[in-house]
Amino acid sequence: DTGVSQNPRHKITKRGQNVTFRCDPISEHNRLYWYRQTLGQGPEFLTYFQNEAQLEKSRLLSDRFSAERPKGSFSTLEIQRTEQGDSAMYLCASSLIPGLGTDTQYFGPGTRLTVL
Amino acid sequence: GQNIDQPTEMTATEGAIVQINCTYQTSGFNGLFWYQQHAGEAPTFLSYNVLDGLEEKGRFSSFLSRSKGYSYLLLKELQMKDSASYLCAAPNSGNTPLVFGKGTRLSVIA
Repeated sequence: DTGVSQNPRHKITKRGQNVTFRCDPISEHNRLYWYRQTLGQGPEFLTYFQNEAQLEKSRLLSDRFSAERPKGSFSTLEIQRTEQGDSAMYLCASSLIPGLGTDTQYFGPGTRLTVL
Repeated sequence: GQNIDQPTEMTATEGAIVQINCTYQTSGFNGLFWYQQHAGEAPTFLSYNVLDGLEEKGRFSSFLSRSKGYSYLLLKELQMKDSASYLCAAPNSGNTPLVFGKGTRLSVIA
């Protein structure tokens, strides 16, 4: 399977705990995005990387959230001191920037987080 | 920034044609995307329009009018498996992160 993969697929945690999610993009894709989606809404942008550089962070990304892409391949998203409002589907997407043209993003299956 | 608006729900009959509209307001335009999302699954890419006109891909077509800030997704010969949410999205600026509409939940009935 050469698509975007995410682990774990589901995570249940208690409020106040830390959680970490992993995303493996499509091989050789240089851009990697994190989005969050709640029921009945479209995905909302959190942050993105081009290779290992984090180029943009949304205002939605509080200081409890941190993302890394240390070698420009897989990425991790960590949420510290989780709150019930963090319960959502966390989606990862990747794309290949050719220099000109479209930035078509391909999504992984997501990690569904439930904070009790 | 981007503001994207699309209907919340639509219902159509198996075998019919349905048109899902999307309007957008942009501070800079760099194309418009449509994604399909089945319940509990990730969005899958359907189409991309950057020039005015209709792009056809099998049963699915997407139309763009940049002057009107308007796009639609046309689904022909509807099948039950087309029941899903359809998301309209555009880059916030340049070629960076997508801003999504809330999605249109399409129900295909027999």
